[in-house]
Amino acid sequence: GAGVSQSPSNKVTEKGKDVELRCDPISGHTALYWYRQSLGQGLEFLIYFQGNSAPDKSGLPSDRFSAERTGGSVSTLTIQRTQQEDSAVYLCASSQSRGGFYNEQFFGPGTRLTVL
Amino acid sequence: AQTVTQSQPEMSVQEAETVTLSCTYDTSESNYYLFWYKQPPSRQMILVIRQEAYKQQNATENRFSVNFQKAAKSFSLKISDSQLGDTAMYFCAFRNYGGSQGNLIFGKGTKLSVKP
Repeated sequence: GAGVSQSPSNKVTEKGKDVELRCDPISGHTALYWYRQSLGQGLEFLIYFQGNSAPDKSGLPSDRFSAERTGGSVSTLTIQRTQQEDSAVYLCASSQSRGGFYNEQFFGPGTRLTVL
Repeated sequence: AQTVTQSQPEMSVQEAETVTLSCTYDTSESNYYLFWYKQPPSRQMILVIRQEAYKQQNATENRFSVNFQKAAKSFSLKISDSQLGDTAMYFCAFRNYGGSQGNLIFGKGTKLSVKP
């Protein structure tokens, strides 16, 4: 497939458990973004990776959230000790570079996380 | 910090008619990018149209056009000849020009329903 893929599509977990969400960006895209979409809210920036540079973690809401990107490709967002307020759709996007007018961000279909 | 405001949580329009979605933003920068994204029930975010702030000419993409008023910090989306497939959430988004952050800043969205 040529698009951004995310897995799982849906995840239900119990409060206090850890979860891992995966993102496979478009091949060759150097920039990768994670956003969170809570009910009734717009998309909230979480973290972004640009090539081999240190990630910009300025959007992470707490130290329970972390992300890594291995080999400049696949990324995993980890939420430790999940809370009910973590319930949301987590969207991943990738682009050819972090800036520039025509460097469109392509989004994946998201992972819907439900914390019981 | 930049903010994006969409004041219309929900709107509806009859098929084949025209509808305008509102967006205002706040920034102290003189150059930046603005976007409209569409999110159908499939959750897949799709770029509809984009505008670079230093360009005074309003962007158009087929049935979609924008009214960009830089002094008023307004960026509305007009959909002409509305189609049933236009039913979706529409998000207005802002991105800094250059700098260290390429992430998008989103409004909370407008839910558009096109009625037959």
